[in-house]
Amino acid sequence: DTAVSQTPKYLVTQMGNDKSIKCEQNLGHDTMYWYKQDSKKFLKIMFSYNNKELIINETVPNRFSPKSPDKAHLNLHINSLELGDSAVYFCASSQDIGTSGNTIYFGEGSWLTVV
Amino acid sequence: KDQVFQPSTVASSEGAVVEIFCNHSVSNAYNFFWYLHFPGCAPRLLVKGSKPSQQGRYNMTYERFSSSLLILQVREADAAVYYCACLGGSQGNLIFGKGTKLSVKP
Repeated sequence: DTAVSQTPKYLVTQMGNDKSIKCEQNLGHDTMYWYKQDSKKFLKIMFSYNNKELIINETVPNRFSPKSPDKAHLNLHINSLELGDSAVYFCASSQDIGTSGNTIYFGEGSWLTVV
Repeated sequence: KDQVFQPSTVASSEGAVVEIFCNHSVSNAYNFFWYLHFPGCAPRLLVKGSKPSQQGRYNMTYERFSSSLLILQVREADAAVYYCACLGGSQGNLIFGKGTKLSVKP
């Protein structure tokens, strides 16, 4: 079973649309993340949730809204998609946050292409 | 600025020992993490820590601001992207480098 699973894996959509990427982890972790890998290949953190509460919100446009219905799920909703939103989005989880002993487990990524 | 630096590409031949170097300017960072990423798959943690460590064919060297990932007896199947990351910064994030693409000649 995949520990961190995200859907869809591929998404092609038009500018201006609203789309969501879902993420679920079955590891019993308390913390979940969304990372963005852009064309420059950096993996940059976007959001972090610990026990359904937002902990980290990096400089991300407010068109991006994470939603955590429970600690096993962290969905990413994007409004009014722009060309620059095209990237690979990785969901991840860890037992806790900011602890050196933690391992962050990643999903396989969701390729978003905005046309 | 909190950043992690690593070469964009490294080339090797089968059977060799490959070294991928990483250094950082991340505040309050004492731990390195090395991830392996095959495109289309989930990045996977290889080795981590605040001291030299080894996991199978993967060795990690450690200095306060730099680390190297050493891959022993490298194989063609090891061709992938290797990410170095540090835990630190103002919010205790895992901050990644751009990744090093390893190519392996037979």
